[in-house]
Amino acid sequence: GAVVSQHPSWVICKSGTSVKIECRSLDFQATTMFWYRQFPKQSLMLMATSNEGSKATYEQGVEKDKFLINHASLTLSTLTVTSAHPEDSSFYICSAREPGVNTEAFFGQGTRLTVV
Amino acid sequence: DAKTTQPPSMDCAEGRAANLPCNHSTISGNEYVYWYRQIHSQGPQYIIHGLKNNETNEMASLIITEDRKSSTLILPHATLRDTAVYYCIVRVGSGAGGTSYGKLTFGQGTILTVHP
Repeated sequence: GAVVSQHPSWVICKSGTSVKIECRSLDFQATTMFWYRQFPKQSLMLMATSNEGSKATYEQGVEKDKFLINHASLTLSTLTVTSAHPEDSSFYICSAREPGVNTEAFFGQGTRLTVV
Repeated sequence: DAKTTQPPSMDCAEGRAANLPCNHSTISGNEYVYWYRQIHSQGPQYIIHGLKNNETNEMASLIITEDRKSSTLILPHATLRDTAVYYCIVRVGSGAGGTSYGKLTFGQGTILTVHP
């Protein structure tokens, strides 16, 4: 199947700093990518839909000024957690769908963010 | 997208078939059934999807009832590495289009534990 790669796999940052997470589709072009967040023992929650060349669409309750999404090319979307706080510590996961009819979405390996 | 109901947990002996049920009684005619799994601390992995016919691939089989109100994912010979959270997701097909196509709404899933 298609490959979606996230970087970094884990990151520890100080409270108040910003962290950027990259999501790349390695062998296909993705006009749309999705960002999820997962807290311990909980399911994945969609944060936003990232659209190449346009603004991201955020889910209700997700602060767009705190979670900055940039989808500058057909193979790269970035999520920047600004002014991170300990409550932002979570597992962040991106996904991208292959072009075509009824294709499946593929997920990155996730990024474990710990804010201290 | 239609809601799904899955048992919170299931056990299976190694080498035996694992049958994971999913109820989706409010599924619409243009909605597909997708199955993903998530091994601890990794991103979700696509398994299989179908509309109304039974489907089989190298990982699993998907059996959808004639009325499409429920389905069963079958792992024919479970191994210890199949221990994971399995998610059944119902989603509209390509007819809906739009930039949100590919967005997946995750429920709590079924924790499958394969034991020796």
